[in-house]
Amino acid sequence: GAVVSQHPSWVICKSGTSVKIECRSLDFQATTMFWYRQFPKQSLMLMATSNEGSKATYEQGVEKDKFLINHASLTLSTLTVTSAHPEDSSFYICSARDVGTQYFGPGTRLLVL
Amino acid sequence: GESVGLHLPTLSVQEGDNSIINCAYSNSASDYFIWYKQESGKGPQFIIDIRSNMDKRQGQRVTVLLNKTVKHLSLQIAATQPGDSAVYFCAENSGSGYSTLTFGKGTMLLVSP
Repeated sequence: GAVVSQHPSWVICKSGTSVKIECRSLDFQATTMFWYRQFPKQSLMLMATSNEGSKATYEQGVEKDKFLINHASLTLSTLTVTSAHPEDSSFYICSARDVGTQYFGPGTRLLVL
Repeated sequence: GESVGLHLPTLSVQEGDNSIINCAYSNSASDYFIWYKQESGKGPQFIIDIRSNMDKRQGQRVTVLLNKTVKHLSLQIAATQPGDSAVYFCAENSGSGYSTLTFGKGTMLLVSP
């Protein structure tokens, strides 16, 4: 199946700093990528839909100025958590669509101290 | 967000047993359904999918059943193995084309040797 990678796999940062997470589709091109957040023992919550070459579509309650998404190419989308706070600590997962099926990256564990 | 202390439904089985994981979906207009497996600390892994014009689909050791009348989806795993231990999520895709997925709450499958 299609492979999606994320980098970094985990990151620890100080409160107030910004963190960038990369999502790449390795063997296919994805015009649409998705960013999810998952808290422990909970399901995946969609944050935003990232479309190549255009602005991302954010879900209700997700601050677009705090979670900046850039989808500059058909194989790369980035999520930047700006001015991170401890409540932003979570597991961030991206996915990319290949012929209708969504494939997920391995996730990035973010811990904000 | 979800309340602190939310527990996933858990299904405990013995190695070699058949497992059945159930999911009730919400949107009668959903036309595409996917089962994902998520191991601890990893991203969801595609298992099997089914479209609304089918009521059963089989893969390797897995079978998905769809009952549109009662909006119910199930995943059957034959001869369950310890490596099958994970959280299983169903996801539904509603609307035209390939819109976003809505995930269920998940079920934790524990397989003991």
